[in-house]
Amino acid sequence: SQTIHQWPATLVQPVGSPLSLECTVEGTSNPNLYWYRQAAGRGLQLLFYSVGIGQISSEVPQNLSASRPQDRQFILSSKKLLLSDSGFYLCAWSFQGPNYGYTFGSGTRLTVV
Amino acid sequence: AQSVAQPEDQVNVAEGNPLTVKCTYSVSGNPYLFWYVQYPNRGLQFLLKYITGDNLVKGSYGFEAEFNKSQTSFHLKKPSALVSDSALYFCAVRDIRGYNDMRFGAGTRLTVKP
Repeated sequence: SQTIHQWPATLVQPVGSPLSLECTVEGTSNPNLYWYRQAAGRGLQLLFYSVGIGQISSEVPQNLSASRPQDRQFILSSKKLLLSDSGFYLCAWSFQGPNYGYTFGSGTRLTVV
Repeated sequence: AQSVAQPEDQVNVAEGNPLTVKCTYSVSGNPYLFWYVQYPNRGLQFLLKYITGDNLVKGSYGFEAEFNKSQTSFHLKKPSALVSDSALYFCAVRDIRGYNDMRFGAGTRLTVKP
């Protein structure tokens, strides 16, 4: 069966510091991968998605970037964090094709101070 | 582009009463529809989906949803609510033409009171 791992669970970082959140999927190959941000326990904002190694699509211009160095690894990064980057970050994967749902990781609570 | 709306930010029900969480959608073609549940500080968990076939879809934890094409709705229902059902619920839609992302509603917070 497939599993998704996301870490760390919580992170407190000072303004201006770098960020690296990692997400890995096991038990499948060539998944679609996604990064979402959720503010204040409400709606989801799609940040990036990837349909293959090195293929990244950005939905919203911002202070963040994403990379997919391996088939089942998806990394969210920032060179300099802003206060507004605080939030709950969720990684997800799905099989290729629109009839599949997403499977989400457990999330990372990022607080920028 | 596809979109989904959840008209209620908050739904309150008493334990043992039926519950409904509303969702309407907009897509160019035939929709793929999903419901997810999120507990505090956790990721979203899949509840059920409609792809094709029977309009009444049964899912996890006793939840079901009814697809209504004429009203473009996919409301989530449960005959008897539990306090443990209290959570944030998201409706989502994907377009059958194969977009690589899913559109989520803003979420509805369900509170079940004992």
